[in-house]
Amino acid sequence: KNQVEQSPQSLIILEGKNCTLQCNYTVSPFSNLRWYKQDTGRGPVSLTIMTFSENTKSNGRYTATLDADTKQSSLHITASQLSDSASYICVVADTGGFKTIFGAGTRLFVKA
Amino acid sequence: NAGVTQTPKFRILKIGQSMTLQCTQDMNHNYMYWYRQDPGMGLKLIYYSVGAGITDKGEVPNGYNVSRSTTEDFPLRLELAAPSQTSVYFCASSYSGPSLNTEAFFGQGTRLTVV
Repeated sequence: KNQVEQSPQSLIILEGKNCTLQCNYTVSPFSNLRWYKQDTGRGPVSLTIMTFSENTKSNGRYTATLDADTKQSSLHITASQLSDSASYICVVADTGGFKTIFGAGTRLFVKA
Repeated sequence: NAGVTQTPKFRILKIGQSMTLQCTQDMNHNYMYWYRQDPGMGLKLIYYSVGAGITDKGEVPNGYNVSRSTTEDFPLRLELAAPSQTSVYFCASSYSGPSLNTEAFFGQGTRLTVV
């Protein structure tokens, strides 16, 4: 069964600290993996998109990694800011078309 | 700078009532999608469209209908509202399909409560 599992479910960190969020998937055949940021009461906003051949992709203080062999991805946030408080969602698409599986997200709280 | 616009933002329906959630995009995207987001769960695809006049079912289509008469608009219709349809609904659009690595843009969501 195609699944995307994210950990931890929630995380609290102090402003200025780094953190890493995890995503494990079983979607096959794999096409791409996306990370989204979703602020409370808003729609998801794309952070990164990675294909099979990409190991790392950065977007400012956000760096995503992908290991297609182990079917794992991580999102690393550097020097966190209060505005990073949000849910981070991992989404995996297969090559067939519209089978995109969304993870349940990691809720990040950044405290001053 | 509008992107994907959804209306209304909030709505309370009584069981058995009907309503239409509106979605419009100004990016000339062919692909449009409707998702629902329930607490603690990942987004689930309800319906999608690859262009005007073409729609198809997603993972959870029961109780919903859609139409796509123009490139810009993709309304979602609930005919007989049920408590199980209480959720947050998101409309999204993209230039091409999810397997082709193009970015999807989401609306701000409609929070629907059925009582």
